[in-house]
Amino acid sequence: QVQLQESGPGLVKPSQTLSLTCTVSGGSISSGSYYWSWIRQPAGKGLEWIGRIYTSGSTNYNPSLKSRVTISVDTSKNQFSLKLSSVTAADTAVYYCARNHLISGYADYWGQGTLVTVSS
Amino acid sequence: QSALTQPASVSGSPGQSITISCTGTSSDVGGYNYVSWYQQHPGKAPKLMIYDVSNRPSGVPDRFSGSKSGNTASLTISGLQAEDEADYYCSSYTSSSTFVVFGGGTKLTVL
Repeated sequence: QVQLQESGPGLVKPSQTLSLTCTVSGGSISSGSYYWSWIRQPAGKGLEWIGRIYTSGSTNYNPSLKSRVTISVDTSKNQFSLKLSSVTAADTAVYYCARNHLISGYADYWGQGTLVTVSS
Repeated sequence: QSALTQPASVSGSPGQSITISCTGTSSDVGGYNYVSWYQQHPGKAPKLMIYDVSNRPSGVPDRFSGSKSGNTASLTISGLQAEDEADYYCSSYTSSSTFVVFGGGTKLTVL
């Protein structure tokens, strides 16, 4: 059974960089059948796609966040990571990592989510 | 403003059927058979309920079904149960630069 687990600071100061890691267990992150993504959800609001990474290291980002987002992968640790720079209160949200089917993009496994609050 | 349009809320009584719509454009829902639906209970991560318009992952009850007509996809839940009360989100592949789009979510209330 594949499991994903987000980890990282729950509190980040404004203008700093949010850093989260997603650890994958029960399967290899190097499987060519999937890509890996980050999605966030502000309290009481809907889901927002942040970006994705393929095991090759190729990435795509939401244009609204592209200038501030970096997603990377460490296949040796079976992990992928998110960095979001210059954060503001608007970046306060629950952040999820997910595994996505390579072709159609559906997310079949999700992490439990981690709340990141941006506040001084 | 979400890229896909869903009703904010729907409701039904136990045993009844409800349908949640998800309207997009020919660049997403209408152009590809890559629509998925997710169920989210409060404080929990989304759970995949339907993929590729009408396919159910293993373990999802056959009370849940999906379909698509033109630019609108639909999720139907038959034989409503109390445990179905949750938020439901649709998602689609899109040829736009975002690659993935979500609907704004629909709150299902089981009366």
